[in-house]
Amino acid sequence: GENVEQHPSTLSVQEGDSAVIKCTYSDSASNYFPWYKQELGKRPQLIIDIRSNVGEKKDQRIAVTLNKTAKHFSLHITETQPEDSAVYFCAGTDGQNFVFGPGTRLSVLP
Amino acid sequence: NAGVTQTPKFQVLKTGQSMTLQCAQDMNHEYMSWYRQDPGMGLRLIHYSVGAGITDQGEVPNGYNVSRSTTEDFPLRLLSAAPSQTSVYFCASSYSNSYEQYFGPGTRLTVT
Repeated sequence: GENVEQHPSTLSVQEGDSAVIKCTYSDSASNYFPWYKQELGKRPQLIIDIRSNVGEKKDQRIAVTLNKTAKHFSLHITETQPEDSAVYFCAGTDGQNFVFGPGTRLSVLP
Repeated sequence: NAGVTQTPKFQVLKTGQSMTLQCAQDMNHEYMSWYRQDPGMGLRLIHYSVGAGITDQGEVPNGYNVSRSTTEDFPLRLLSAAPSQTSVYFCASSYSNSYEQYFGPGTRLTVT
């Protein structure tokens, strides 16, 4: 089945700097890669996703890149703000289910 | 649309008690799933369903049962609660496993 690894587990950046979170997956058949943001005590919410036929996708300060050959995808957040502080989860699919990475706790320091 | 709803929000059980966590969605999604999230951990799949009448096990199914008699509802039953089942439970739905999953607000369960 699919295995998704995520690094780093914690990340601290200064406000205004960029943050990058990387995930690797094992199942070459995975074709959909979402990123979720979870604030403390809240539900996970989708912030961006990418399909296997696309190499990069951007939405304002957030971008995701996918390298199918290397089986990894990354979340890029530019001009970080305090409200970006949260836990971020990546996910892949194993044909039937979503498989989530263990999460990255991002802290944006003022 | 209400999206994905879950009840109750909080629950305290004694060891050995049983209960049902309710989940409903009004988006006509075929795919529904239950996850548990332990402190500082990611989301682990308990059970999932790809449509009414079809359910299957996820990564951590022991101690839980599910059924899917309608497209809208996907209840999770704890058969005999154990302290190891203390967790936050999220229900989620989507059109399929290749589309955005929408999560419910979660149920915080404590088993004493």
